[in-house]
Amino acid sequence: EAGVAQSPRYKIIEKRQSVAFWCNPISGHATLYWYQQILGQGPKLLIQFQNNGVVDDSQLPKDRFSAERLKGVDSTLKIQPAKLEDSAVYLCASSHTGRASYEQYFGPGTRLTVT
Amino acid sequence: AQRVTQPEKLLSVFKGAPVELKCNYSYSGSPELFWYVQYSRQRLQLLLRHISRESIKGFTADLNKGETSFHLKKPFAQEEDSAMYYCALTKAAGNKLTFGGGTRVLVKP
Repeated sequence: EAGVAQSPRYKIIEKRQSVAFWCNPISGHATLYWYQQILGQGPKLLIQFQNNGVVDDSQLPKDRFSAERLKGVDSTLKIQPAKLEDSAVYLCASSHTGRASYEQYFGPGTRLTVT
Repeated sequence: AQRVTQPEKLLSVFKGAPVELKCNYSYSGSPELFWYVQYSRQRLQLLLRHISRESIKGFTADLNKGETSFHLKKPFAQEEDSAMYYCALTKAAGNKLTFGGGTRVLVKP
């Protein structure tokens, strides 16, 4: 099966600009996750979707970050306006539902640099 | 709150030597524990999970609920084991993963 796709792979922007990331999960995976991985740290969940509904967005900085998964398939994550501390790798992951959902499949990530 | 701690940032061992990566967790309940691995220029991928009680690529991990630890071990390290390793936990299937900070393993020839 094709893996999780993400684009772009790299992005450099200036602070206060906006940026958007795209993710296409593995076909048939109902659950989609966005993680933020700051250099030297493990990934941290930003938001989780089940189909097109939000399951967990408790750690999403909602004043500047937004995400949507309108048709329950692909998803976009937006930052507006960006801050220096948003420099990180943004990982998208997907999983099945039920007991098979223990395993999450990760995309290659988008490396964001905010200058 | 759930927390995962990996005390070693870097482990450097010689080929054929044993390697042990430490992972300690805090969680008020019975979480499921995992080890994920990221090889150079590859995606983060599942290595093994406690519920499967399996050995993958020669690695095993023992869950010690008393010490709240889930250390990863391999008796004879190989050069291809060089990678970043992340310990993670989840409270249930379909829930978020909480990751530790990661341990970089370097296996020298």
